[in-house]
Amino acid sequence: AQRVTQPEKLLSVFKGAPVELKCNYSYSGSPELFWYVQYSRQRLQLLLRHISRESIKGFTADLNKGETSFHLKKPFAQEEDSAMYYCALSGSGAGSYQLTFGKGTKLSVIP
Amino acid sequence: DGGITQSPKYLFRKEGQNVTLSCEQNLNHDAMYWYRQDPGQGLRLIYYSQIVNDFQKGDIAEGYSVSREKKESFPLTVTSAQKNPTAFYLCASSILLGRTYEQYFGPGTRLTVT
Repeated sequence: AQRVTQPEKLLSVFKGAPVELKCNYSYSGSPELFWYVQYSRQRLQLLLRHISRESIKGFTADLNKGETSFHLKKPFAQEEDSAMYYCALSGSGAGSYQLTFGKGTKLSVIP
Repeated sequence: DGGITQSPKYLFRKEGQNVTLSCEQNLNHDAMYWYRQDPGQGLRLIYYSQIVNDFQKGDIAEGYSVSREKKESFPLTVTSAQKNPTAFYLCASSILLGRTYEQYFGPGTRLTVT
């Protein structure tokens, strides 16, 4: 069975401080990992996916297969980063169209 | 925003009544999904459909039903058998990008059953 764990329900940081949102997963094959974000009064949207190895809005995430982690990082938090963040996993092959979500972490950036 | 629409935004029903939530997409995506979002629970998959006239149960399908008669539409019916129907419901559709499916979400419908 596949599982995604986000250990922090709420994370508060000061503006300009580094941010790290934790995500751990369990999956027996080669997973595809994603981060989705939901800003207040907006729909859930894809932030980044590990296969793209890109930086979006200053956020990066590295897949660590040894530690089964996909933590989301940003060196300097901005107020507009305040949102709900979800880590998600999809399998390979026939299971690649389904996503398993973590329970989410609410990021609050304090001015 | 466009692409995926859900209506209505808010829905109120009395206990014991069935209610149908609408989801339409004009993205020409083959796959569509229904999730339930509860505080502290994340998103949980109710049903999904890979192609027209075919759908599969997700993790929490009990008390729900769906149909997929058209590619653009994937309505969800919350039946009276669903024990705790009050929740925020999200519809999504997906497209294959490389070897992964990227899901696009609708704005959601908040259902309150009293």
